[in-house]
Amino acid sequence: EPEVTQTPSHQVTQMGQEVILRCVPISNHLYFYWYRQILGQKVEFLVSFYNNEISEKSEIFDDQFSVERPDGSNFTLKIRSTKLEDSAMYFCASKGTGLYEQYFGPGTRLTVT
Amino acid sequence: KQEVTQIPAALSVPEGENLVLNCSFTDSAIYNLQWFRQDPGKGLTSLLLIQSSQREQTSGRLNASLDKSSGRSTLYIAASQPGDSATYLCAGPRSYNTDKLIFGTGTRLQVFP
Repeated sequence: EPEVTQTPSHQVTQMGQEVILRCVPISNHLYFYWYRQILGQKVEFLVSFYNNEISEKSEIFDDQFSVERPDGSNFTLKIRSTKLEDSAMYFCASKGTGLYEQYFGPGTRLTVT
Repeated sequence: KQEVTQIPAALSVPEGENLVLNCSFTDSAIYNLQWFRQDPGKGLTSLLLIQSSQREQTSGRLNASLDKSSGRSTLYIAASQPGDSATYLCAGPRSYNTDKLIFGTGTRLQVFP
C-alpha cells in the first residue's frame, strides 16, 4: 500500500542552524501539507501546497519557514534559523485530487539545542 | 478560535469492552471529519473519513458518526483488544474551501488483557 515517507526520522541541530526536512508523498497525490506537534500538545497545521504554490499557511509559518517541491517526488520544509521552540515532531501529509482524506508520514522529530 | 475537544482524555478498559470516544467542535463549524490513531512517538494513521454528505462510516470494528448540526462526532470501537491501545485523534477542516485540519486534544486509550 502506498505511503508517505519522511527523512530523517530524527534530526538534532543547534539553535540558529538551518534544517531541511524531507518528505516523499504518495506518488499520484498533488496536495501536500506540513503539520507539527510539540511534545504533549495538539497537532498543528503549518502549510498546504498545491501546483507549486502555497495554498494556505498558519501564523506559525513565518518567514523562517519555506516549502519546496524540488522535483517530481520530494516535498521539503526548510527552517532557516532554528529556535528552541521549533523542537517538535513534524509531519508531512498528502492528498489525492478530488479526495478529502489526508495521509500522514511517520514524522521527523526535530530537536533544537 | 475553533477548538476541538475530545472526551474522555484517557480511558483504560479490559479487553472485550465496547468503547465510545467523543469529539466536539466548539462552534459546530465542521465540513468533514477524519479519525486518526497515533501510537507513542509515531505518525498518524487514518482510520475513517466521514465526508460532508455522510453521517457515518464503518471499517471493521470501528464505526464513526458525524452530526454536523451540533459539530459532534463519535467513534465506536467494538470488542476492544490490547492492540487498540493508542491515542485517538479527530480532525477536520472548518469549511469546504480549506484543507487545514484542526485537531482535537486526543483520547489516550489503554486496553488491558
